[in-house]
Amino acid sequence: TQLLEQSPQFLSIQEGENLTVYCNSSSVFSSLQWYRQEPGEGPVLLVTVVTGGEVKKLKRLTFQFGDARKDSSLHITAAQPGDTGLYLCAGEFSGNTPLVFGKGTRLSVIA
Amino acid sequence: GAVVSQHPSWVICKSGTSVKIECRSLDFQATTMFWYRQFPKQSLMLMATSNEGSKATYEQGVEKDKFLINHASLTLSTLTVTSAHPEDSSFYICSAFGTTTEAFFGQGTRLTVV
Repeated sequence: TQLLEQSPQFLSIQEGENLTVYCNSSSVFSSLQWYRQEPGEGPVLLVTVVTGGEVKKLKRLTFQFGDARKDSSLHITAAQPGDTGLYLCAGEFSGNTPLVFGKGTRLSVIA
Repeated sequence: GAVVSQHPSWVICKSGTSVKIECRSLDFQATTMFWYRQFPKQSLMLMATSNEGSKATYEQGVEKDKFLINHASLTLSTLTVTSAHPEDSSFYICSAFGTTTEAFFGQGTRLTVV
């Protein structure tokens, strides 16, 4: 059973379109992190959300943490080819415990 | 931000040999590090939790005698794949928490066993 359900797994869109990636769980997390990973490299942290209902923006990326701290979303506005990559959500239960990863969303933005 | 350095970035070895992967925290001390394995086009799967000065904690299904973990100092954890076989070929990534609750990842090691 996947503890953190991430969807969609694959997404191919045209440049300029908007998209949303979802991560859902029945568990409550102390924080949730979003990563982006390029082929052959380790994941790079994009953002950490901690407070229920929190919204964080990173240029064209908007991250939201659900009120109950069980789910999160990543919204990309006007996607660019440079946004192409694997996006991973990861939940943390408490400090210094391993992150629980979603299966990832492989995004392809076509020019 | 905190930096985690992983070495080597890629390695090719013959079947039956052992390979050691190093994970270093460069600007902070990490009492706990985590080792993940990632298959192509899939997410990260936790293999084990490496604890400084004590035995690692392995996830279910991960052979502790095959994947030896040593965390001898607060800045270094090593993963040794013993008697490697082609099915061990994968991308291995380590991570550690910095001074905050955020996890930082190494660059990953692509292991190919031929």
